[in-house]
Amino acid sequence: NAGVTQTPKFQVLKTGQSMTLQCAQDMNHNSMYWYRQDPGMGLRLIYYSASEGTTDKGEVPNGYNVSRLNKREFSLRLESAAPSQTSVYFCASTAGYAEAFFGQGTRLTVV
Amino acid sequence: KNEVEQSPQNLTAQEGEFITINCSYSVGISALHWLQQHPGGGIVSLFMLSSGKKKHGRLIATINIQEKHSSLHITASHPRDSAVYICAVNRGTQFYFGTGTSLTVIP
Repeated sequence: NAGVTQTPKFQVLKTGQSMTLQCAQDMNHNSMYWYRQDPGMGLRLIYYSASEGTTDKGEVPNGYNVSRLNKREFSLRLESAAPSQTSVYFCASTAGYAEAFFGQGTRLTVV
Repeated sequence: KNEVEQSPQNLTAQEGEFITINCSYSVGISALHWLQQHPGGGIVSLFMLSSGKKKHGRLIATINIQEKHSSLHITASHPRDSAVYICAVNRGTQFYFGTGTSLTVIP
């Protein structure tokens, strides 16, 4: 099925551990995004990629790195997880001035 | 100050009621989006609007560009409509999100 595939769906990390969240889209979209969603707050942009090979910081980039491996894939890495990074993470993609498609989310808990 | 404000934050309705969720924004936009998120679920796009009105089944979305305001209406609400509804606007490739309206429809 066409859409945005995000893995894993759930993850528990210990403080200081690292992990990579994977995201892939098969709609040939140029723009891809990583957001975090916390209770009482709107989705906040961590990083985005306007096209293959480019990435830019969003509102809350500290503690994260990203990689736009190719046009399909955009990964988010936590090098040293902290409890403040406990959140639900969403990957999204869009063809530009068009509808945004979201992954199913990754529920991350850092203990 | 958030660029996108939604009201109400929480809404409880009886099955069959007509529901309105409002969204105001303060920036120039390319388009406005209404999104739906079921508990524990992903986010699904319901509408993308740049002017006028769109209808899909029991859902209607309107936008007034001059007043920077949009409404999402649900006619004949049903318990399966229970979800968080999120208003978002985009300026070019950047999106700005409201904090969402949590809707509960009681049978």
